[in-house]
Amino acid sequence: AQKITQTQPGMFVQEKEAVTLDCTYDTSDQSYGLFWYKQPSSGEMIFLIYQGSYDEQNATEGRYSLNFQKARKSANLVISASQLGDSAMYFCAMRETDSWGKLQFGAGTQVVVTP
Amino acid sequence: GAVVSQHPSRVICKSGTSVKIECRSLDFQATTMFWYRQFPKQSLMLMATSNEGSKATYEQGVEKDKFLINHASLTLSTLTVTSAHPEDSSFYICSAKGQTQPQHFGDGTRLSIL
Repeated sequence: AQKITQTQPGMFVQEKEAVTLDCTYDTSDQSYGLFWYKQPSSGEMIFLIYQGSYDEQNATEGRYSLNFQKARKSANLVISASQLGDSAMYFCAMRETDSWGKLQFGAGTQVVVTP
Repeated sequence: GAVVSQHPSRVICKSGTSVKIECRSLDFQATTMFWYRQFPKQSLMLMATSNEGSKATYEQGVEKDKFLINHASLTLSTLTVTSAHPEDSSFYICSAKGQTQPQHFGDGTRLSIL
């Protein structure tokens, strides 16, 4: 069963606008971690932001913030003030407790930032 | 700077040859390394989990005799694609995890089998 769901295959966003990328997850673990990675066309995976299941505050890292709604099992990524360099594939991932740290990835959302 | 180095970045070889891909953690001890495969426009699929000094744990459907994984030290894991065929062409990417860090990924290897 799919544990990470990203329902937006692709999105266009105008430069300087904010964009929200959706991510919902499914787990019965009490302790887990949620991650967002960016993958440009060159292929490398760039870590953006992390949210632990017990963290009470939403994670923020510069222009990235994670809207964590535990009861809804959602962990949406918000990118503020989009830049052309933000054009990339974005993956949501989850690490469950007894998984040796392995990540399960969503299908990804392709973001294209337009001038 | 990069904390995980993956080499080579691109390989083109003939069908039937074996290809070795290296994944090194540069400034931390990686107790666990992961190998993923990614087809074009798709997500990363975990192939196997590699713990230093023990046998790799393969995900369902991944042939362990086809994809040999060796995690010989706390900074190096290798993936060998044995007797590669065109259907093995893909983007392979490793990640490494220490005791506390989140996973850091290598830059990936584009493997093309002719």
